[in-house]
Amino acid sequence: EDQVTQSPEALRLQEGESSSLNCSYTVSGLRGLFWYRQDPGKGPEFLFTLYSAGEEKEKERLKATLTKKESFLHITAPKPEDSATYLCAVQRGGYNKLIFGAGTRLAVHP
Amino acid sequence: GAVVSQHPSWVICKSGTSVKIECRSLDFQATTMFWYRQFPKQSLMLMATSNEGSKATYEQGVEKDKFLINHASLTLSTLTVTSAHPEDSSFYICSARALGDVNQPQHFGDGTRLSIL
Repeated sequence: EDQVTQSPEALRLQEGESSSLNCSYTVSGLRGLFWYRQDPGKGPEFLFTLYSAGEEKEKERLKATLTKKESFLHITAPKPEDSATYLCAVQRGGYNKLIFGAGTRLAVHP
Repeated sequence: GAVVSQHPSWVICKSGTSVKIECRSLDFQATTMFWYRQFPKQSLMLMATSNEGSKATYEQGVEKDKFLINHASLTLSTLTVTSAHPEDSSFYICSARALGDVNQPQHFGDGTRLSIL
C-alpha cells in the first residue's frame, strides 16, 4: 500500500536557523514526488516536483532532494514568512491521484 | 499562471440544505479536477477525481449520492453536498491539473469552509 510519512510533525525554528523536513515514502513505481506549502485557511501552494533519485530543486531559501526512499526539504536561513505547513505527496505511475503525508507545521520566530 | 478559483470560500447553513461549491481553472484547461476534504491539523483526503465529460471516480467510503460532482467543461467542476448534516462540516479543497501532461502538478483552490448548523 502506498504510504507517505512526514517528520517531524511540528518544528519551531529561530529566524536564520537552518533545518530539514523529511518525507519518507513507499510507492510502487514512483511517477513523481511533490512538495506543497499550505498557509492556514488556504489551499496548498505548489513548490516542487521531483521525478527521480538524485534530483534536486531550489527556490529561494528552499531546496528539495530525492532518494529512492525519502525526500528532504531543506530550509536555509528561514524567515518568519516561511512559517506554514509543508506537505509532501507522491504519485504512482499509471495513476492520477496524489497520496499526501500529514505535513510538517513549521513556525519560524524572529 | 495556473490559478484555480474556488467559490464560495465559506458557507454556513442549516442541516438538510444542499450546498454547491464551484472550482474553476482560470488560466488553463483541466481535463481532470480533484476534490479533497481536510479536517483540522490533518492532511488532505481525496474524495473523488472529476473528469470532464464523464462520471467522477469516487474513493472508497465516499458516498456518491451524497457528494455529487459535475465536470461540465474544461475549466469548471462543481461539488454538491446534498442534504448536508453537521458531520459534513469540513474544509473542502479542489485542485486541477493542466490538460495533456499527467506529470504536471495539481494546482489548488483556496478551499471552502463548510459549517452545517
